Amino acid sequence: QVQLVQSGAEVKKPGASVKVSCKASGYTFTSYYMHWVRQAPGQGLEWMGIINPSGGSTNYAQKFQGRVTMTRDTSTRTVYMQLSSLRSEDTAIYYCARDYDYGDSGAFDIWGQGTMVTVSS
Amino acid sequence: SSELTQDPAVSVALGQTVRITCQGDSLRSYFASWYQQKPGQAPVFVIYGKNNRPSGIPDRFSGSSSGNTASLTITGAQAEDEADYYCNSRDSSGNHQVFGTGTKVTVL
Repeated sequence: QVQLVQSGAEVKKPGASVKVSCKASGYTFTSYYMHWVRQAPGQGLEWMGIINPSGGSTNYAQKFQGRVTMTRDTSTRTVYMQLSSLRSEDTAIYYCARDYDYGDSGAFDIWGQGTMVTVSS
Repeated sequence: SSELTQDPAVSVALGQTVRITCQGDSLRSYFASWYQQKPGQAPVFVIYGKNNRPSGIPDRFSGSSSGNTASLTITGAQAEDEADYYCNSRDSSGNHQVFGTGTKVTVL
């Protein structure tokens, strides 16, 4: 079945970088864009950006421009999200979510299980 | 700050109907989608477009839209519907996605 499996929890120090992976299965990897969404403890969902697994093009939320890099490896059907210059406010669960293209509006139909990233000195 | 605004919390008696709203200027141009999130779990896709349910979503969930407001209605709420609900759409520029502030639904 269609599935997104993410890498395990991470603990990082302030100023470091983290790279989270999301491995897709059960569908044609290059046919669906992939989003990254995060959720700080007790807070709402926050969209970070999107990557096209086919060509690798990206579009990032303004808040993360300059700190986030989304990449993909088509040979392993995996997308990656790297966030640099980490600070305590980046402590959150990070989700990958497959794009559901039903028109101009966009949606997210399949979600990974989430990866907890903790930033602490 | 989010461009999509939701009421923080609503409650509904078991078996009754509850409507959750999502307001934002971009909703005049784009449809909303809706997600259910239970504690410790990833969000689940429940409604998209005018009023479409992904496979496996019960028909007690429905969506609607008017002007700058999108709504998710649960008709005959069940105990398992107690969760946080988020709307999502494009932002006012149309270039990025944005989520609503979220609504906690309590089933009494």
